[in-house]
Amino acid sequence: DTAVSQTPKYLVTQMGNDKSIKCEQNLGHDTMYWYKQDSKKFLKIMFSYNNKELIINETVPNRFSPKSPDKAHLNLHINSLELGDSAVYFCASSNTGPVVNTEAFFGQGTRLTVV
Amino acid sequence: AQKITQTQPGMFVQEKEAVTLDCTYDTSDPSYGLFWYKQPSSGEMIFLIYQGSYDQQNATEGRYSLNFQKARKSANLVISASQLGDSAMYFCAMREGPYNQGGKLIFGQGTELSVKP
Repeated sequence: DTAVSQTPKYLVTQMGNDKSIKCEQNLGHDTMYWYKQDSKKFLKIMFSYNNKELIINETVPNRFSPKSPDKAHLNLHINSLELGDSAVYFCASSNTGPVVNTEAFFGQGTRLTVV
Repeated sequence: AQKITQTQPGMFVQEKEAVTLDCTYDTSDPSYGLFWYKQPSSGEMIFLIYQGSYDQQNATEGRYSLNFQKARKSANLVISASQLGDSAMYFCAMREGPYNQGGKLIFGQGTELSVKP
């Protein structure tokens, strides 16, 4: 069973289009994240949701809108795609709480290419 | 300021030898966790090992061990008996505080490890 699954794995689209990436976790974790990995492989947090509540919005353009219908799902919708949005987007999940020792489990990533 | 620094963009190691990947961190929070992830060419992120700021002993997981030097704020990953399948990008990451920052991981720039036969 896949722990964190995101779809699609690859997404090629034209500038100006709107697209969504879906993520689901079956680990029972209370927190889900979106990370962006740029062309230099640098990973940066975009959003964090805890029990469907937005906790972190890391100065991401408002063209990016995450939605968490329940604590097992976190989707990412991107409006008016730009060339600079091309990257690999990772969904992840973990538990957060009194200790910091819970690792984050990552989905397989979605490679978004804007042409 | 960079919170996690990996100063080795690329490393080479001979198969069956040990290799150390460097990681230094910066935090004023007394409670934090340090993580290492592996990203092979297929792209997935694989959790390797964890070290807590209050842990007295260095973490070990199979061929992976973490050389944790708290006073120097370093958390180097040691891979023993390297295998060809260890060729990948390796990321050091930190999570600060128990409830702080929404549980986010802060990543270093990564080190690309190549294992030579």
